[in-house]
Amino acid sequence: ETGVTQTPRHLVMGMTNKKSLKCEQHLGHNAMYWYKQSAKKPLELMFVYNFKEQTENNSVPSRFSPECPNSSHLFLHLHTLQPEDSALYLCASSQPPNQETQYFGPGTRLLVL
Amino acid sequence: KQEVTQIPAALSVPEGENLVLNCSFTDSAIYNLQWFRQDPGKGLTSLLLIQSSQREQTSGRLNASLDKSSGRSTLYIAASQPGDSATYLCAVTNFGNEKLTFGTGTRLTIIP
Repeated sequence: ETGVTQTPRHLVMGMTNKKSLKCEQHLGHNAMYWYKQSAKKPLELMFVYNFKEQTENNSVPSRFSPECPNSSHLFLHLHTLQPEDSALYLCASSQPPNQETQYFGPGTRLLVL
Repeated sequence: KQEVTQIPAALSVPEGENLVLNCSFTDSAIYNLQWFRQDPGKGLTSLLLIQSSQREQTSGRLNASLDKSSGRSTLYIAASQPGDSATYLCAVTNFGNEKLTFGTGTRLTIIP
């Protein structure tokens, strides 16, 4: 176990649904990340939060809405997704200013129908 | 823009053999390079981190080398075991941009 948990582990949703992904880290870190991993593509960084403030939005469509209420929790709110958004969504954390040593959660496997 | 490539995408090797995984990157101005392991249904685990000033790092049966000038890194696995079956990802961090840039990975299968 890496100290980073994600729920749910699997999610199937229709294009009109609204759902949320949750990430929690028990490492005392102050930076958290959302990544998207699609088949045959490199991991894509989506969002970065440092001390609860969003410091990076990698041109992510607005149908993905992140929320970081505190340094231990990170959410990704999903609405009106497209089938091409089906992927593994990974959360990670690190202790600033160190971004290279990241601890990853197991991911949420998302299928959009 | 940094691009990281890993070839082959998949590799099958009989148990006990030594093997080499390859990683190449287009921008040699890297701060460090990491090798990760990803098991099905699990997140990424960092295996080895090589700083730009280093040539190699070793951990048990794993040895990672770095040749910055040619934009290449290799991960050598000695005496492979079925438990080594996983996807191996390479990632670099560039100077001035501390984000990790990942390759697409190599899916390794060790045949008992």
